[in-house]
Amino acid sequence: VIWMTQSPSLLSASTGDRVTISCRMSQGISSYLAWYQQKPGKAPELLIYAASTLQSGVPSRFSGSGSGTDFTLTISCLQSEDFATYYCQQYYSFPWTFGQGTKVEIK
Amino acid sequence: QVQLQESGPGLVKPSETLSLTCTVSGGSISSYYWSWIRQPAGKGLEWIGRIYTSGSTNYNPSLKSRVTMSVDTSKNQFSLKLSSVTAADTAVYYCARVGTYGSGSYPDLWGQGTLVTVSS
Repeated sequence: VIWMTQSPSLLSASTGDRVTISCRMSQGISSYLAWYQQKPGKAPELLIYAASTLQSGVPSRFSGSGSGTDFTLTISCLQSEDFATYYCQQYYSFPWTFGQGTKVEIK
Repeated sequence: QVQLQESGPGLVKPSETLSLTCTVSGGSISSYYWSWIRQPAGKGLEWIGRIYTSGSTNYNPSLKSRVTMSVDTSKNQFSLKLSSVTAADTAVYYCARVGTYGSGSYPDLWGQGTLVTVSS
């Protein structure tokens, strides 16, 4: 099983801030990583796959980087609709696993 | 556009079998993998498994002994059965389509989720 350490678990930020979320793997996964956004009471939505490829329709202020064991999700200019919980997910090997989540809250 | 909708009992007794169905609308179920993922209240996401339209499956080893997935292409549906449930199986259950890019595949479209509570 590939374990994932996502940090921070809670991030307080203001509209307009640049925020960064980290996801570290227990072993290398090449670029087989996805990022999801989840709002309260809603299903997760895919933001990024293959570590850095933006899903169609996702605003360009979201970006992903990294390969191997260390990955980052960056929101370049936080908008009000971006306050949510974010999860990374590896699909390099079964079982697919998710990070613990990062809640982005209003500062 | 493609939409997924979970359905099934919201309350299951301990030791019984949880059964859920996901109906795919707006597109064909064929030639895709489909997945189930769950989320206990206030907690993270746990991948349960995936099924191809041929019936080929991959399950999470932590649940493998209790999980059965199936697909009915004539109804554009796929299903989850989880046996011998306990309170630890109480969660929101999501069905999801699995997209592909290169040699990788990942959940790219999710249903709204359905809460299943295990209680007597």
